[in-house]
Amino acid sequence: GQQVMQIPQYQHVQEGEDFTTYCNSSTTLSNIQWYKQRPGGHPVFLIQLVKSGEVKKQKRLTFQFGEAKKNSSLHITATQTTDVGTYFCAGPSDGNKLVFGAGTILRVKS
Amino acid sequence: DTAVSQTPKYLVTQMGNDKSIKCEQNLGHDTMYWYKQDSKKFLKIMFSYNNKELIINETVPNRFSPKSPDKAHLNLHINSLELGDSAVYFCASSQDRGRQPQHFGDGTRLSIL
Repeated sequence: GQQVMQIPQYQHVQEGEDFTTYCNSSTTLSNIQWYKQRPGGHPVFLIQLVKSGEVKKQKRLTFQFGEAKKNSSLHITATQTTDVGTYFCAGPSDGNKLVFGAGTILRVKS
Repeated sequence: DTAVSQTPKYLVTQMGNDKSIKCEQNLGHDTMYWYKQDSKKFLKIMFSYNNKELIINETVPNRFSPKSPDKAHLNLHINSLELGDSAVYFCASSQDRGRQPQHFGDGTRLSIL
């Protein structure tokens, strides 16, 4: 079945440093979605990318969808303590479900 | 107004007991889901209903039984709870099956003693 791999599993950064998480799918995706889960919280939808090569920005967050629509990345510029949490990518499968990556846990040292 | 609400938020119970978790969404979505999140944060889909019809039934022990009385409600009943059932269970909903962004509830933290 379809798999969505996400790396790294963990990332500890100093406040102010940049952070990137990468997502790779075993199959071409119709779209890629990104979610953020704060510690003790629930996943919250951040953004959806649909087009090949698409780049979207939300303040310090930059999301990219690969040309082949099989990979994606989330880059955070100048991390802040409010960025801590787990970031998940997710892509629709052939069936009725969204396949989530394992997530990248981001810790920010102030 | 909370979009996807789950009750209870915390559930502490003993092995062998039966428990239920309830979920309601007021977003008018057609599809609802149950996920299990283990201690490593992995989100595993368990079940999904679209307009009261079961459309996803992953490899889950048959001690877990979902019920959707209407498209705004999805409940999860668990029989004979085991230690391995300890996890956070999230309910979610989306406008359509599979491809649309999902809205998650706050989660139910289940601890088995």
